[in-house]
Amino acid sequence: TQLLEQSPQFLSIQEGENLTVYCNSSSVFSSLQWYRQEPGEGPVLLVTVVTGGEVKKLKRLTFQFGDARKDSSLHITAAQPGDTGLYLCAGSNDYKLSFGAGTTVTVRA
Amino acid sequence: DVKVTQSSRYLVKRTGEKVFLECVQDMDHENMFWYRQDPGLGLRLIYFSYDVKMKEKGDIPEGYSVSREKKERFSLILESASTNQTSMYLCASRFRGGGGREQYFGPGTRLTVT
Repeated sequence: TQLLEQSPQFLSIQEGENLTVYCNSSSVFSSLQWYRQEPGEGPVLLVTVVTGGEVKKLKRLTFQFGDARKDSSLHITAAQPGDTGLYLCAGSNDYKLSFGAGTTVTVRA
Repeated sequence: DVKVTQSSRYLVKRTGEKVFLECVQDMDHENMFWYRQDPGLGLRLIYFSYDVKMKEKGDIPEGYSVSREKKERFSLILESASTNQTSMYLCASRFRGGGGREQYFGPGTRLTVT
Protein backbone atom coordinates (compact mmCIF):
# COMPACT_ATOMS: atom_id res chain seq x y z
CA THR A 1 0.00 0.00 0.00
CA GLN A 2 1.34 3.37 -1.08
CA LEU A 3 1.71 5.84 1.79
CA LEU A 4 1.41 8.76 -0.63
CA GLU A 5 -1.12 8.65 -3.47
CA GLN A 6 -0.41 10.74 -6.55
CA SER A 7 -2.95 11.66 -9.18
CA PRO A 8 -3.23 11.53 -12.04
CA GLN A 9 -0.78 8.78 -12.94
CA PHE A 10 -0.35 10.15 -16.48
CA LEU A 11 -0.95 13.62 -17.92
CA SER A 12 -0.50 14.68 -21.54
CA ILE A 13 -1.13 18.31 -22.46
CA GLN A 14 -0.39 20.82 -25.18
CA GLU A 15 2.30 23.45 -24.76
CA GLY A 16 0.87 26.55 -23.08
CA GLU A 17 -1.78 24.73 -21.05
CA ASN A 18 -1.85 24.57 -17.25
CA LEU A 19 -1.69 21.40 -15.17
CA THR A 20 -2.03 20.32 -11.55
CA VAL A 21 -0.63 17.20 -9.89
CA TYR A 22 -1.93 16.05 -6.52
CA CYS A 23 -0.25 14.19 -3.68
CA ASN A 24 -2.44 12.86 -0.86
CA SER A 25 -1.89 10.87 2.30
CA SER A 26 -3.65 9.90 5.50
CA SER A 27 -0.36 10.49 7.35
CA VAL A 28 1.04 13.76 8.63
CA PHE A 29 4.54 14.65 7.46
CA SER A 30 7.09 17.03 8.95
CA SER A 31 7.95 18.17 5.43
CA LEU A 32 7.16 17.26 1.85
CA GLN A 33 9.42 17.34 -1.17
CA TRP A 34 8.77 17.36 -4.91
CA TYR A 35 11.29 15.82 -7.29
CA ARG A 36 11.42 15.67 -11.09
CA GLN A 37 13.01 12.74 -12.87
CA GLU A 38 13.96 12.74 -16.53
CA PRO A 39 14.50 9.52 -18.52
CA GLY A 40 17.83 7.87 -17.71
CA GLU A 41 18.50 10.13 -14.73
CA GLY A 42 17.89 10.12 -11.00
CA PRO A 43 15.28 12.39 -9.38
CA VAL A 44 16.27 16.02 -8.76
CA LEU A 45 14.77 18.06 -5.93
CA LEU A 46 12.45 20.91 -6.98
CA VAL A 47 11.22 22.16 -3.61
CA THR A 48 10.73 21.33 0.06
CA VAL A 49 7.64 22.59 1.91
CA VAL A 50 7.59 22.52 5.68
CA THR A 51 4.76 24.62 7.10
CA GLY A 52 1.07 23.73 6.79
CA GLY A 53 -0.57 26.03 4.24
CA GLU A 54 2.79 27.02 2.76
CA VAL A 55 2.91 28.09 -0.88
CA LYS A 56 6.20 28.22 -2.79
CA LYS A 57 6.76 29.44 -6.33
CA LEU A 58 9.56 28.40 -8.63
CA LYS A 59 9.14 30.35 -11.89
CA ARG A 60 6.05 28.76 -13.50
CA LEU A 61 5.71 26.06 -10.82
CA THR A 62 3.60 26.62 -7.70
CA PHE A 63 3.74 24.19 -4.80
CA GLN A 64 1.26 24.08 -1.94
CA PHE A 65 1.39 22.13 1.34
CA GLY A 66 -1.99 21.36 2.89
CA ASP A 67 -2.96 22.96 6.19
CA ALA A 68 -2.90 19.58 7.94
CA ARG A 69 0.46 18.63 6.30
CA LYS A 70 -1.07 15.52 4.73
CA ASP A 71 -1.35 16.62 1.12
CA SER A 72 0.30 18.78 -1.48
CA SER A 73 -0.18 19.99 -5.03
CA LEU A 74 2.05 21.09 -7.86
CA HIS A 75 0.65 23.53 -10.44
CA ILE A 76 2.47 24.38 -13.66
CA THR A 77 1.39 27.46 -15.58
CA ALA A 78 1.87 27.65 -19.36
CA ALA A 79 3.61 24.29 -19.57
CA GLN A 80 6.56 23.87 -21.93
CA PRO A 81 8.07 20.73 -23.50
CA GLY A 82 10.99 21.09 -21.06
CA ASP A 83 8.55 20.39 -18.20
CA THR A 84 8.13 16.82 -19.47
CA GLY A 85 9.18 14.25 -16.88
CA LEU A 86 8.16 12.11 -13.93
CA TYR A 87 7.09 14.18 -10.93
CA LEU A 88 7.46 12.51 -7.54
CA CYS A 89 6.25 13.71 -4.17
CA ALA A 90 7.98 12.46 -1.02
CA GLY A 91 6.90 12.88 2.59
CA SER A 92 9.45 13.08 5.35
CA ASN A 93 9.36 11.86 8.91
CA ASP A 94 12.49 11.20 10.99
CA TYR A 95 15.25 9.95 8.69
CA LYS A 96 13.39 8.60 5.70
CA LEU A 97 11.39 9.71 2.71
CA SER A 98 8.22 7.93 1.58
CA PHE A 99 7.63 8.39 -2.14
CA GLY A 100 4.47 8.47 -4.18
CA ALA A 101 4.29 6.40 -7.36
CA GLY A 102 4.77 9.48 -9.51
CA THR A 103 2.93 11.38 -12.24
CA THR A 104 4.28 11.16 -15.78
CA VAL A 105 3.80 14.54 -17.48
CA THR A 106 4.15 14.92 -21.24
CA VAL A 107 3.97 18.39 -22.78
CA ARG A 108 3.47 18.31 -26.54
CA ALA A 109 4.92 21.08 -28.69
CA ASP B 1 29.02 20.32 -8.48
CA VAL B 2 27.48 17.55 -6.41
CA LYS B 3 27.90 14.10 -7.77
CA VAL B 4 26.60 10.62 -7.06
CA THR B 5 27.89 7.96 -9.42
CA GLN B 6 26.81 4.36 -9.84
CA SER B 7 29.09 1.69 -11.21
CA SER B 8 26.88 0.56 -14.09
CA ARG B 9 23.96 2.04 -16.02
CA TYR B 10 22.80 -1.36 -17.29
CA LEU B 11 23.45 -4.82 -15.92
CA VAL B 12 22.24 -8.26 -16.99
CA LYS B 13 22.72 -11.17 -14.59
CA ARG B 14 21.54 -14.75 -14.34
CA THR B 15 19.33 -16.17 -11.61
CA GLY B 16 21.39 -17.25 -8.62
CA GLU B 17 24.37 -14.98 -9.34
CA LYS B 18 25.79 -12.70 -6.65
CA VAL B 19 25.46 -9.09 -7.79
CA PHE B 20 27.29 -6.01 -6.54
CA LEU B 21 26.00 -2.49 -7.19
CA GLU B 22 28.40 0.28 -6.23
CA CYS B 23 27.62 3.89 -5.39
CA VAL B 24 30.12 6.69 -4.78
CA GLN B 25 29.43 10.26 -3.66
CA ASP B 26 31.90 13.14 -3.56
CA MET B 27 30.00 15.47 -1.22
CA ASP B 28 31.22 14.13 2.14
CA HIS B 29 27.63 13.16 2.99
CA GLU B 30 27.05 11.06 6.10
CA ASN B 31 23.79 9.43 4.99
CA MET B 32 23.43 7.14 2.00
CA PHE B 33 20.43 5.22 0.64
CA TRP B 34 19.55 2.45 -1.78
CA TYR B 35 16.12 2.44 -3.46
CA ARG B 36 14.50 0.36 -6.13
CA GLN B 37 12.09 1.98 -8.57
CA ASP B 38 9.32 0.02 -10.28
CA PRO B 39 6.51 1.36 -12.49
CA GLY B 40 3.44 2.25 -10.47
CA LEU B 41 5.23 1.74 -7.16
CA GLY B 42 7.56 4.72 -6.97
CA LEU B 43 10.80 4.52 -5.02
CA ARG B 44 11.01 2.01 -2.19
CA LEU B 45 13.80 2.12 0.37
CA ILE B 46 15.93 -1.02 0.58
CA TYR B 47 18.67 0.04 3.03
CA PHE B 48 19.95 3.18 4.66
CA SER B 49 23.34 4.02 6.16
CA TYR B 50 23.72 6.73 8.81
CA ASP B 51 27.50 6.74 8.56
CA VAL B 52 30.47 4.50 7.93
CA LYS B 53 29.86 0.90 8.99
CA MET B 54 26.30 1.74 10.07
CA LYS B 55 23.20 0.43 8.31
CA GLU B 56 19.47 0.21 8.83
CA LYS B 57 16.88 -1.88 7.00
CA GLY B 58 14.42 0.01 4.88
CA ASP B 59 10.99 -1.12 3.74
CA ILE B 60 12.06 -4.00 1.47
CA PRO B 61 15.43 -5.40 2.66
CA GLU B 62 14.69 -9.09 1.94
CA GLY B 63 17.17 -10.59 -0.53
CA TYR B 64 19.60 -7.67 -0.19
CA SER B 65 22.56 -6.71 1.98
CA VAL B 66 24.77 -3.62 2.07
CA SER B 67 28.30 -2.59 2.92
CA ARG B 68 29.70 0.81 3.90
CA GLU B 69 33.41 0.58 4.68
CA LYS B 70 34.25 4.12 3.53
CA LYS B 71 32.22 7.28 3.86
CA GLU B 72 31.99 7.91 0.14
CA ARG B 73 31.03 4.40 -0.94
CA PHE B 74 27.83 2.39 -0.35
CA SER B 75 27.43 -1.03 -1.93
CA LEU B 76 24.25 -3.02 -2.48
CA ILE B 77 24.60 -6.79 -2.70
CA LEU B 78 22.13 -9.27 -4.10
CA GLU B 79 23.27 -12.52 -2.53
CA SER B 80 21.44 -14.73 -5.04
CA ALA B 81 19.72 -12.76 -7.75
CA SER B 82 16.15 -13.64 -8.64
CA THR B 83 13.93 -12.51 -11.51
CA ASN B 84 11.75 -10.45 -9.15
CA GLN B 85 14.80 -8.29 -8.43
CA THR B 86 14.76 -7.01 -12.01
CA SER B 87 14.35 -3.27 -11.45
CA MET B 88 15.91 0.19 -11.55
CA TYR B 89 18.21 0.72 -8.55
CA LEU B 90 18.88 4.25 -7.35
CA CYS B 91 21.49 5.38 -4.85
CA ALA B 92 21.17 8.67 -2.96
CA SER B 93 23.10 10.63 -0.37
CA ARG B 94 22.53 13.61 1.90
CA PHE B 95 24.04 15.44 4.85
CA ARG B 96 23.25 14.19 8.34
CA GLY B 97 20.04 15.62 9.73
CA GLY B 98 16.30 15.32 9.49
CA GLY B 99 14.42 13.72 6.65
CA GLY B 100 13.65 17.09 5.11
CA ARG B 101 17.19 17.54 3.86
CA GLU B 102 17.69 17.19 0.11
CA GLN B 103 18.71 13.79 -1.19
CA TYR B 104 21.03 13.71 -4.20
CA PHE B 105 20.49 10.79 -6.54
CA GLY B 106 22.72 8.89 -8.90
CA PRO B 107 21.59 8.11 -12.48
CA GLY B 108 20.45 4.60 -11.58
CA THR B 109 21.38 1.05 -12.56
CA ARG B 110 18.86 -0.88 -14.60
CA LEU B 111 19.30 -4.50 -13.55
CA THR B 112 17.80 -7.38 -15.50
CA VAL B 113 17.89 -10.86 -13.97
CA THR B 114 17.22 -13.66 -16.46
